[in-house]
Amino acid sequence: NAGVTQTPKFRILKIGQSMTLQCTQDMNHNYMYWYRQDPGMGLKLIYYSVGAGITDKGEVPNGYNVSRSTTEDFPLRLELAAPSQTSVYFCASSPQGDYGYTFGSGTRLTVV
Amino acid sequence: GENVEQHPSTLSVQEGDSAVIKCTYSDSASNYFPWYKQELGKGPQLIIDIRSNVGEKKDQRIAVTLNKTAKHFSLHITETQPEDSAVYFCAARDRGGSSNTGKLIFGQGTTLQVKP
Repeated sequence: NAGVTQTPKFRILKIGQSMTLQCTQDMNHNYMYWYRQDPGMGLKLIYYSVGAGITDKGEVPNGYNVSRSTTEDFPLRLELAAPSQTSVYFCASSPQGDYGYTFGSGTRLTVV
Repeated sequence: GENVEQHPSTLSVQEGDSAVIKCTYSDSASNYFPWYKQELGKGPQLIIDIRSNVGEKKDQRIAVTLNKTAKHFSLHITETQPEDSAVYFCAARDRGGSSNTGKLIFGQGTTLQVKP
């Protein structure tokens, strides 16, 4: 099993550009999450999904959007990239609400 | 909503010594507390977790303790080794709302350095 796979691993965007961070899992987990990690700030929840067709905002959703058309995929969309979105982004999944997460290896995004 | 504070932010120990990282949480309804280890350039990896019906849990050299009254929990690593050097995160389940969304609120992280 591959677990949680994130692509790309690195990306540089110019201010105002858009992109999609891909996340896919092969563990048939219903719950999926997107976090961003900034130095000294821990991980902040951007969006989450408890099943296909269901998404909801986390702590820091502004400037992002998500969709969940299948159980496996949970892409994160950045529209009009801003320098404040420079961060490392992690996708995670969980089989149920009372279990720990399996994280992907992350996407390091720089907006210049 | 839940808030998690983690201390210290950095910790340096000699190989073979013990290391302790402490976290406090704000929501007394939280019932699940995992710990993650993040090595350089990698995603966080679950190393141990504890639920609110248990006061302590051990797995070889690592243990977690939970004090529900004081709303704090701690990670204990004994006989530290250089490969224990990493960033460690605590987390607490956010039980806000009527449904269990599985959301975790993370502490700020502790960078542990084990000196040979």
